[in-house]
Amino acid sequence: DAGVIQSPRHEVTEMGQEVTLRCKPISGHNSLFWYRQTMMRGLELLIYFNNNVPIDDSGMPEDRFSAKMPNASFSTLKIQPSEPRDSAVYFCASSFWGAPDTQYFGPGTRLTVL
Amino acid sequence: AQKITQTQPGMFVQEKEAVTLDCTYDTSDPSYGLFWYKQPSSGEMIFLIYQGSYDQQNATEGRYSLNFQKARKSANLVISASQLGDSAMYFCAMREGSTQGGSEKLVFGKGTKLTVNP
Repeated sequence: DAGVIQSPRHEVTEMGQEVTLRCKPISGHNSLFWYRQTMMRGLELLIYFNNNVPIDDSGMPEDRFSAKMPNASFSTLKIQPSEPRDSAVYFCASSFWGAPDTQYFGPGTRLTVL
Repeated sequence: AQKITQTQPGMFVQEKEAVTLDCTYDTSDPSYGLFWYKQPSSGEMIFLIYQGSYDQQNATEGRYSLNFQKARKSANLVISASQLGDSAMYFCAMREGSTQGGSEKLVFGKGTKLTVNP
């Protein structure tokens, strides 16, 4: 079975540009999570969805970040405009709503903003 | 206050020996789940093992076992017969709340870097 799919795997962009990260969760999973990992802050949750509905976006750093989940098989995380401090690895994870609701992670997108 | 504490920034173990990675947690919720993930140098996050707060027995998955001490709020990962491929970062995480109400977010510890020496 395919795991969580993320694209692109690597993204290098210049400050001020728009960046869109994409995620396809595991088929049948009904929860989707976006995390960011940096050396300074570790792994932090940005936003998560249950049944395509955003539940908690308190981790989204600021208005430059937005996330959507238009259907059960696709989600995007957009940064506009991007800044050098957004450089990080962004992970998408999905889980099935039920015990033990283990989250399975995608391979991550390594974002570098110059 | 930190919800997940991993006090060992780095650990070393000889190949074929067992190693324990510490994790303590803080919650007042009676229903919670504890997870361990492995992150090798390649960067992916690999799920290893899960322990539910109501589980009576310690979880085991192959060479991984979880030493769950509820009263002490600790959930240590034990890796038996270490292999060179076990060298990685290991993260402890907690999910609060009942799964009946829907999936909840994970809170992660800062991780422990394990190095297995030949």
